Amino acid sequence: AQKITQTQPGMFVQEKEAVTLDCTYDTSDPSYGLFWYKQPSSGEMIFLIYQGSYDQQNATEGRYSLNFQKARKSANLVISASQLGDSAMYFCAMREGPDTGNQFYFGTGTSLTVIP
Amino acid sequence: DGGITQSPKYLFRKEGQNVTLSCEQNLNHDAMYWYRQDPGQGLRLIYYSQIVNDFQKGDIAEGYSVSREKKESFPLTVTSAQKNPTAFYLCASSIGTITEAFFGQGTRLTVV
Repeated sequence: AQKITQTQPGMFVQEKEAVTLDCTYDTSDPSYGLFWYKQPSSGEMIFLIYQGSYDQQNATEGRYSLNFQKARKSANLVISASQLGDSAMYFCAMREGPDTGNQFYFGTGTSLTVIP
Repeated sequence: DGGITQSPKYLFRKEGQNVTLSCEQNLNHDAMYWYRQDPGQGLRLIYYSQIVNDFQKGDIAEGYSVSREKKESFPLTVTSAQKNPTAFYLCASSIGTITEAFFGQGTRLTVV
């Protein structure tokens, strides 16, 4: 079974609008972390935001927020006020606890294009 | 500045040759990882190491080898046994148990 599922291969958003990138995950470990990374065309992976499984509130970092719905096992990324520089690939990732090896699992990514 | 350095950025090799990709970090992180990314695909784990002198296979370890003799360094060797080695390789490191990973700039390997 896939640990991380991103069902949107490509998304378009108008500049200054908000966009939601979907991510669902699968784990039986009660302790885990959820992450979003941005990969521009240069290839580097840029860390955006983190949500711990025990965190009560949704994580926010500037224009990025993570809509964490634990019961549904979803961790959607919301980008507000989109900018042209937000055009990139976005990857959702999960890291389970030490009992399961501390591995990171990545989804297949969503390509976001911001339209002027 | 602290960070992860991968070198070289671009690498060309002839088929049948072994090649070693460098990954160095000065973040004092215990865990290090190697990922492979193919065009339009996500990241697949090749090897990871949680401590010096110890490493584990990831999902696609066949045809690759690693070493972890120093905390700062985690080189990846792509051997001739790897059937399709042309790809983008990313090295990462992390500290703690459920913290984010920091990535290097990547090495784009082309085998001709």
